[in-house]
Amino acid sequence: GAVVSQHPSWVICKSGTSVKIECRSLDFQATTMFWYRQFPKQSLMLMATSNEGSKATYEQGVEKDKFLINHASLTLSTLTVTSAHPEDSSFYICSALGGGGEKLFFGSGTQLSVL
Amino acid sequence: AQSVTQLDSQVPVFEEAPVELRCNYSSSVSVYLFWYVQYPNQGLQLLLKYLSGSTLVKGINGFEAEFNKSQTSFHLRKPSVHISDTAEYFCAVTVYNFNKFYFGSGTKLNVKP
Repeated sequence: GAVVSQHPSWVICKSGTSVKIECRSLDFQATTMFWYRQFPKQSLMLMATSNEGSKATYEQGVEKDKFLINHASLTLSTLTVTSAHPEDSSFYICSALGGGGEKLFFGSGTQLSVL
Repeated sequence: AQSVTQLDSQVPVFEEAPVELRCNYSSSVSVYLFWYVQYPNQGLQLLLKYLSGSTLVKGINGFEAEFNKSQTSFHLRKPSVHISDTAEYFCAVTVYNFNKFYFGSGTKLNVKP
């Protein structure tokens, strides 16, 4: 079946540095990818919708200059957390839309810890 | 906009007992509904989905859900749970163009021996 690979699975960084998270669709082309953030004991919060070849659409309250999203190809989307701070520490999950638009496949998530 | 409510944050149940995980949604337009499962330290896996047709949807691992438009619900059921069903379950909704998926807050199913 379709698989979405997300890398890294966890990362620790110093405050003020930038971190890049990759999301790859391994056996299908994903015209749309989604980025979510999951706080402890809370639901997935949609951060942005990424469409290949165009600018990402950010949800209200999500800083687009802080969370840079690039969807340069049909199989790769990246999320860069710029100038990370401790409050950015969270679990980030990507997903890719496939199966003719009817299936949403998820990556395994990235646990970001900012010291 | 759409929203999803999962009223039960945790559901403890004994092995081989039936279980129902509740999901209600809000939307001004027609929606598609999904249930996902997240096992510890893993990503989300699709259990089942409702797009159209029969309102009773069967998914993997013996789970099923029923779409009730009048009650705006999409409850997940299993007649007999196993220890291996212990996980967190998320209900999700999207609209016709799948451009956004909204998730409920999740329900942790804890199956006890």
